Amino acid sequence: DIQMTQSPSSLSASVGDSVTITCRASQSMSSFLNWYQQKPGKAPKLLIYASHSLHSGVPSRFSGRGSGTDFTLTISSLQPEDFATYYCQEYYSSPPRFGQGTKLEIK
Amino acid sequence: QVQLVQSGAEMKKPGASVKVSCKTFNYTFNNWGVSWVRQAPGQGLEWMGWISGYNGNTKYAHKFQDRVTLTTDTSTSTAYLDLRSLRPDDTAMYYCARDQKYSTNWFDYWGQGTLVTVSS
Repeated sequence: DIQMTQSPSSLSASVGDSVTITCRASQSMSSFLNWYQQKPGKAPKLLIYASHSLHSGVPSRFSGRGSGTDFTLTISSLQPEDFATYYCQEYYSSPPRFGQGTKLEIK
Repeated sequence: QVQLVQSGAEMKKPGASVKVSCKTFNYTFNNWGVSWVRQAPGQGLEWMGWISGYNGNTKYAHKFQDRVTLTTDTSTSTAYLDLRSLRPDDTAMYYCARDQKYSTNWFDYWGQGTLVTVSS
């Protein structure tokens, strides 16, 4: 089974900052990697699919990069509504696996 | 807009079964699949299984294979999760999410979640 390691597990930043979250896979998986945002008490929302494709309606300050084993989610110019928990998810293997999450908090 | 609306919260005793429904709106049900993902309190996301709205094919995570059945009713565009032999550690929020027709890829729209509590 592929193991997904997200880092950092938590992160403090200010409105207007740029932040990057990393997801590393235990084996190469091409570009089969998605990113989700989850706010407390809410269902996750898809942000990025297939490593770098922006889901409909997602602001362009969210971007994804990577292939193989190393992937990043970058949020440029943080907005107040961006403070949430972020998960990566691979779909190269079965079952698809999520990273453990990165909690982004306001500094 | 695409919507997935799940049934309400359930409270069950250990050993019981639960059936959660996920009614979909505003897309062609048999052109897509549905995945189920759960989240224990304060924990991360765990994929449970997928069903095709096209042909009813299923895939299950190994740890749930003996206790979970996914079904659909195409006449009402509804997907169902049936979880048996419930244990206290099955207490979680259960989400359905739209997925791809032939296999599981990404989950682009999600239901609001159904809280299942298992307690004696």
